Amino acid sequence: KAGVTQTPRYLIKTRGQQVTLSCSPISGHRSVSWYQQTPGQGLQFLFEYFSETQRNKGNFPGRFSGRQFSNSRSEMNVSTLELGDSALYLCASSYSRGGAKTPDTQYFGPGTRLTVL
Amino acid sequence: QQQVKQSPQSLIVQKGGISIINCAYENTAFDYFPWYQQFPGKGPALLIAIRPDVSEKKEGRFTISFNKSAKQFSLHIMDSQPGDSATYFCAASMNSGSSNTGKLIFGQGTTLQVKP
Repeated sequence: KAGVTQTPRYLIKTRGQQVTLSCSPISGHRSVSWYQQTPGQGLQFLFEYFSETQRNKGNFPGRFSGRQFSNSRSEMNVSTLELGDSALYLCASSYSRGGAKTPDTQYFGPGTRLTVL
Repeated sequence: QQQVKQSPQSLIVQKGGISIINCAYENTAFDYFPWYQQFPGKGPALLIAIRPDVSEKKEGRFTISFNKSAKQFSLHIMDSQPGDSATYFCAASMNSGSSNTGKLIFGQGTTLQVKP
């Protein structure tokens, strides 16, 4: 079974631009979560999508948005980029059975390295 | 209250030694505590996880010890190998009965180096 794939792997943008990152979850997985990883702040939760609906949201400004399509693929958008948005953006997918005592494992993709100049 | 504090930030261990990484949390609503391992250029991968109704879980050389009253948990890597050199993250999440959500709160990470 193919793992989580993220495109592109590397991206360079300038301040003020916007960017869209893509995530294809493992086949059959219904939940997609996004995380931002930086040396200073570590791994921070951005948001989670399940069945095309945002189920959870972290403490990020409204410039960060996302969506999920009917095939569970997800995109993340950052508008009006700032230097501080430079980070590794990770996507994770899980089956998300619901009602289970233990959460389904989240499988992470390799990430998209975004550099804002 | 949403934070998970992890220590040490970095750790150097000799091959064959025991690596110990500690985490502490405040929010008693957390009910799932996974550990993730991350190699350079890769995304984190689940190593082992525990629920607060058990005090210890062992999988091969990896053991989680959980102290509910102290709100602390730790990862022990026995017989550490150079291939274990990676960054380790503890995490915590809260899950409702109807939907196990994908929101993980991560610790800051520990960079482990195992010397041959």
